[in-house]
Amino acid sequence: QQPVQSPQAVILREGEDAVINCSSSKALYSVHWYRQKHGEAPVFLMILLKGGEQKGHEKISASFNEKKQQSSLYLTASQLSYSGTYFCGTEGMAAGNKLTFGGGTRVLVKP
Amino acid sequence: GAVVSQHPSRVICKSGTSVKIECRSLDFQATTMFWYRQFPKQSLMLMATSNEGSKATYEQGVEKDKFLINHASLTLSTLTVTSAHPEDSSFYICSVASFGLQETQYFGPGTRLLVL
Repeated sequence: QQPVQSPQAVILREGEDAVINCSSSKALYSVHWYRQKHGEAPVFLMILLKGGEQKGHEKISASFNEKKQQSSLYLTASQLSYSGTYFCGTEGMAAGNKLTFGGGTRVLVKP
Repeated sequence: GAVVSQHPSRVICKSGTSVKIECRSLDFQATTMFWYRQFPKQSLMLMATSNEGSKATYEQGVEKDKFLINHASLTLSTLTVTSAHPEDSSFYICSVASFGLQETQYFGPGTRLLVL
């Protein structure tokens, strides 16, 4: 089953913060976050493996609540380059590296 | 991360013809590659898992006789869309599974297919 991402879209001013959520109905082994620019391939941002783990990439960080089967991506002090569509990819307990992607969250950062 | 290439980047073909898309892992040997399809403004939908030296594993609803996958070497997987129809027009993306300390997938640049 496809994880649910929210919000579907968000518009920010440069320097503002945003949170993107990813929720799954099944037990997860890991959550992977990607950003895709229009017409390009998704670019890997980070992977989260354990409950409560947090990671960072530039001023983008993420958390993973294993018990709630949820992950959140935090965009802090957003930059124009953060614009794009963010996807979470979830890996189940027996998925063998196979990822199921959420519907995506479109982020537009304006000057 | 892994470096992945795809060829061609864009292809336009007539309905009924077959189109081959190549996915190459440039900097490491990939035993597993994945093929995705992405329609405009939609998510990545996994089509199949390509395993080197063995048959591909297709997702439910994906016709294996229409989307032929060959993973003949550790650096190359090909997807052939046979008898393409306009509804097959989409963005096809491959990814390489990277094992080790950080197990994730690295994506190729994608192939945009337009069937007329």
